[in-house]
Amino acid sequence: DGGITQSPKYLFRKEGQNVTLSCEQNLNHDAMYWYRQDPGQGLRLIYYSQIVNDFQKGDIAEGYSVSREKKESFPLTVTSAQKNPTAFYLCASSIARDNTEAFFGQGTRLTVV
Amino acid sequence: AQSVSQHNHHVILSEAASLELGCNYSYGGTVNLFWYVQYPGQHLQLLLKYFSGDPLVKGIKGFEAEFIKSKFSFNLRKPSVQWSDTAEYFCAVITNTGNQFYFGTGTSLTVIP
Repeated sequence: DGGITQSPKYLFRKEGQNVTLSCEQNLNHDAMYWYRQDPGQGLRLIYYSQIVNDFQKGDIAEGYSVSREKKESFPLTVTSAQKNPTAFYLCASSIARDNTEAFFGQGTRLTVV
Repeated sequence: AQSVSQHNHHVILSEAASLELGCNYSYGGTVNLFWYVQYPGQHLQLLLKYFSGDPLVKGIKGFEAEFIKSKFSFNLRKPSVQWSDTAEYFCAVITNTGNQFYFGTGTSLTVIP
């Protein structure tokens, strides 16, 4: 089945530790995105990438880092610099041309204790 | 920067009532518009989209939306809601010159049987 896979579904980390969230897609999409979803704030863009080896900061990139070494993979690292990392993280992908719709993964709920 | 406003944060309806959720965006150029739905515990799914042509678009599960360019609006409607429509609804925009999706803060819909 084609789609976007995020792993793990739930993640717990101690404060001060970096953690990497996985996002893989087999839709052959060029563009990939990371969003953070908090109650009452909707989806806020962290980083996005239009092509391999290139990515841009979104509205709330501070404390996060990404890489795009392969077309199908776009991992997100939540660093210790992120002040409030506990959140629901969503990965999405789309065909970069024509601005077609974005497809979403199931999300990862990160809890930092 | 572009923005998307959803005016209704929480909506509670009885089954068979009609639904209209507001969405306004701020961008003067050409846009592509989307409504996504997030059922409890599930990933975001596309309800419907508007790229061009007939401003009244029909989506899945009996939903429709009307693009009114002069009002920068893309309101979602359903004539008769069901208990299974209980979910969170997000409006999203991508501009013809942009490469990222902008989401509203979401509307939580609860349908009472």
